[in-house]
Amino acid sequence: AQSVTQPDIHITVSEGASLELRCNYSYGATPYLFWYVQSPGQGLQLLLKYFSGDTLVQGIKGFEAEFKRSQSSFNLRKPSVHWSDAAEYFCAVGGGSQGNLIFGKGTKLSVKP
Amino acid sequence: KAGVTQTPRYLIKTRGQQVTLSCSPISGHRSVSWYQQTPGQGLQFLFEYFSETQRNKGNFPGRFSGRQFSNSRSEMNVSTLELGDSALYLCASSRTGDYEQFFGPGTRLTVL
Repeated sequence: AQSVTQPDIHITVSEGASLELRCNYSYGATPYLFWYVQSPGQGLQLLLKYFSGDTLVQGIKGFEAEFKRSQSSFNLRKPSVHWSDAAEYFCAVGGGSQGNLIFGKGTKLSVKP
Repeated sequence: KAGVTQTPRYLIKTRGQQVTLSCSPISGHRSVSWYQQTPGQGLQFLFEYFSETQRNKGNFPGRFSGRQFSNSRSEMNVSTLELGDSALYLCASSRTGDYEQFFGPGTRLTVL
């Protein structure tokens, strides 16, 4: 079955600390992987995507993610978190014959001053 | 270029009523997908339209339907509303052959 797992429901980090959000996927076809961010009451904004090529991808707002096929993972990282990064983060997978994305349950990030 | 727009942003309905939500994709995007977001179930795919045809459908009852017009604008309809239909309904558009989806701000539906 196709699925995305984000094991951490809620993470709290101090401002300036590093961040890693985990994402594991199960997908039969070649996966196209995404990270989206959602602020309260807003839609989803794309942070970064992986289609092929270099397994370390850079995104907006200083985020990066690394695709590891052997571990079926696509973890999101940021070296120094800012208070404005507090939001909910969603990992998603798509590809194959289906045009829709399959989303994880999301990880809510809180940032301590 | 304008982003994906959704109207209305907020709706309050009562059980048994029906509702229609509207989505205008980014200019040039011909694929429109709809998702339901709830705290319990997360983001769930409803359906996808491309060139006025439903191309893909999620696991939702027949009360949920949609359509797409020749200008790529899309509507979704929910009939006989239930309390559990209270959710944020997100519309996303994408370019032909591209898996990257651009999301609108959503319509918050509350069913009383």
